[in-house]
Amino acid sequence: QQPVQSPQAVILREGEDAVINCSSSKALYSVHWYRQKHGEAPVFLMILLKGGEQKGHDKISASFNEKKQQSSLYLTASQLSYSGTYFCGTEGDSNYQLIWGAGTKLIIKP
Amino acid sequence: DTGVSQDPRHKITKRGQNVTFRCDPISEHNRLYWYRQTLGQGPEFLTYFQNEAQLEKSRLLSDRFSAERPKGSFSTLEIQRTEQGDSAMYLCASSAAGRPQVEAFFGQGTRLTVV
Repeated sequence: QQPVQSPQAVILREGEDAVINCSSSKALYSVHWYRQKHGEAPVFLMILLKGGEQKGHDKISASFNEKKQQSSLYLTASQLSYSGTYFCGTEGDSNYQLIWGAGTKLIIKP
Repeated sequence: DTGVSQDPRHKITKRGQNVTFRCDPISEHNRLYWYRQTLGQGPEFLTYFQNEAQLEKSRLLSDRFSAERPKGSFSTLEIQRTEQGDSAMYLCASSAAGRPQVEAFFGQGTRLTVV
C-alpha cells in the first residue's frame, strides 16, 4: 500500500533538472508532496487532486496521472536550497489518511 | 500562533519504562495526526484525531501505544513498556478539516531513544 518513490537518491549539480516519481497500486484521490531537510520537520510543497492536474510554483512543479496512479515532481534549474528528502503522500478514495513513500534524497552540489 | 509544537524534543528512556509526548497543534486546526519516522523512511501513520475523536488507528500500532486529545486541543501519545524498536522520531501534524486533505503542518518531532 505504501507508494513507491523513484529514484531513491539523486545527486545533481546546481542548475540541473530532476524528476522524482511516485506510484501507487491503489486508486488515488490526491497526492501530496513534502520536502524534509535533515533534522527538520517535513514542509508542504503542493497537493494534486485526481483529474490529471498539474501544479507548480517557482521552479518546482508536479503532475498527477490518475489513470496510472502516478505523480511526478519536477525540479528545474535546481538550487542548493532544494537539497533534502522529498516525500510523496497518497490519499486513497476510501480513507482519510496519507500513506507516505520512503522518500527520495536529493543532493545538490555547487 | 507559532505552529505545531512538540514536547519534549528529545527523550532517552530505559527499556520497559513508559513515556508520554505532547503535541500542541495550530489552534484553529481540528485534525491532528501522529506519525513515527525512522532513519531513511517516510513518516509512518500511527493515529488521527478529528477534534477529540480518534477516528483512525494504525493496525501496526500495538496495545502499548495510546493517544488522547481531550477537548480537541493538545494531544498526548503514550508508549508503555518501551522497547528498543520504539526508538524513532515521533512527529505530530495538524490540518484544517476538508476533503481532500489540506496542507498539514508538522511539528519538529520528539526523538525517542530507548536504551
